[in-house]
Amino acid sequence: GNSVTQMEGPVTLSEEAFLTINCTYTATGYPSLFWYVQYPGEGLQLLLKATKADDKGSNKGFEATYRKETTSFHLEKGSVQVSDSAVYFCALSNRGSYIPTFGRGTSLIVHP
Amino acid sequence: ETGVTQTPRHLVMGMTNKKSLKCEQHLGHNAMYWYKQSAKKPLELMFVYNFKEQTENNSVPSRFSPECPNSSHLFLHLHTLQPEDSALYLCASSQGSTSGGSTDTQYFGPGTRLTVL
Repeated sequence: GNSVTQMEGPVTLSEEAFLTINCTYTATGYPSLFWYVQYPGEGLQLLLKATKADDKGSNKGFEATYRKETTSFHLEKGSVQVSDSAVYFCALSNRGSYIPTFGRGTSLIVHP
Repeated sequence: ETGVTQTPRHLVMGMTNKKSLKCEQHLGHNAMYWYKQSAKKPLELMFVYNFKEQTENNSVPSRFSPECPNSSHLFLHLHTLQPEDSALYLCASSQGSTSGGSTDTQYFGPGTRLTVL
């Protein structure tokens, strides 16, 4: 079956630091990959996605590249802000299915 | 209103009460979902409806009863809950099976924070 593994949190950084949140997956075929973000008191919202190998998704300064050879989709941002403090979820959907598999989420705390 | 709305935002109920959670989507989507989000646990998919038909029930106890009267509305009826059912209940929608599937983005509501006393 499908699975998504994310690094344990919380990740604690100072403002303007570089961010990496690791995500690896197990799936059959060629899934689509997603990062969702959940700000305090809100539901999840799509941050970025990639639908085929070597695609790079990007949004709000965040990037992730679909690496089929390493089955990874790591999230990166060059300079985090306090407002980026949230929980980040990696997810995948297999072809032929509209129901995603989510990782456990990684909490990010950014200090001024 | 736009997006996915959920009411109420907060609910406190006793173990013998009956209550319902409501979700409404204004996105023209065909699939709707209920998730349970508990502290320190993974996001838990409960039910999925596609074109008003239930397609997933992930071994959810019968004290949770979903209802999908049309593709825009989703309810979760609650009765005789347990304290361990206290959690954030999230509703989501997506295009569903007609879209080709795997590139679907899920759109979430803000959730209902449920406390069972």
